[in-house]
Amino acid sequence: AQKITQTQPGMFVQEKEAVTLDCTYDTSDPSYGLFWYKQPSSGEMIFLIYQGSYDQQNATEGRYSLNFQKARKSANLVISASQLGDSAMYFCAMREGRIQGAQKLVFGQGTRLTINP
Amino acid sequence: DTGVSQDPRHKITKRGQNVTFRCDPISEHNRLYWYRQTLGQGPEFLTYFQNEAQLEKSRLLSDRFSAERPKGSFSTLEIQRTEQGDSAMYLCASPDNEQFFGPGTRLTVL
Repeated sequence: AQKITQTQPGMFVQEKEAVTLDCTYDTSDPSYGLFWYKQPSSGEMIFLIYQGSYDQQNATEGRYSLNFQKARKSANLVISASQLGDSAMYFCAMREGRIQGAQKLVFGQGTRLTINP
Repeated sequence: DTGVSQDPRHKITKRGQNVTFRCDPISEHNRLYWYRQTLGQGPEFLTYFQNEAQLEKSRLLSDRFSAERPKGSFSTLEIQRTEQGDSAMYLCASPDNEQFFGPGTRLTVL
């Protein structure tokens, strides 16, 4: 079963508009972490934001915020006031608990975001 | 710059050749991960090191793949007898909470 689902293969947004990228996840582990990464055409994976499963408040980092709805198992990324430089692939990822073991990330398929001037 | 470096950044090789990639993680991080990303997909976990011990390997890591981390510092990933299906971006991650990634090595097998 797919653990991370990103249902939007592509998104097109006008510059300065806000954009929401969807991510749903599936886990039975009560301890997990959710990540969003940006991958420009150069290929590097740029960490954007992190939300722990026990965090009470939604994570925010500058123009990025994570809309964490635990009961719905969703972790949508919101980018406010989009900029041309935001055009890239965006990946949602999950890390399951087990501090003593491999805390590997499981990634979704990604959403390609294009910001139009 | 995440502090994680990878070398080379690009590698073009002919089918059947051996290739080796290197990852230098953030110095105080004792965990190191390798991922593979094929075109149009998200990265997939390959293997994990805790210091010099390789503690977990994915089924994606066939017998042609070998990874090492001598002395618990840098790590190498070797692919023997490369195949066209090995063409991908190979990413190294040196985790803290955010699991920082290196810039990746893009492998093209002709």
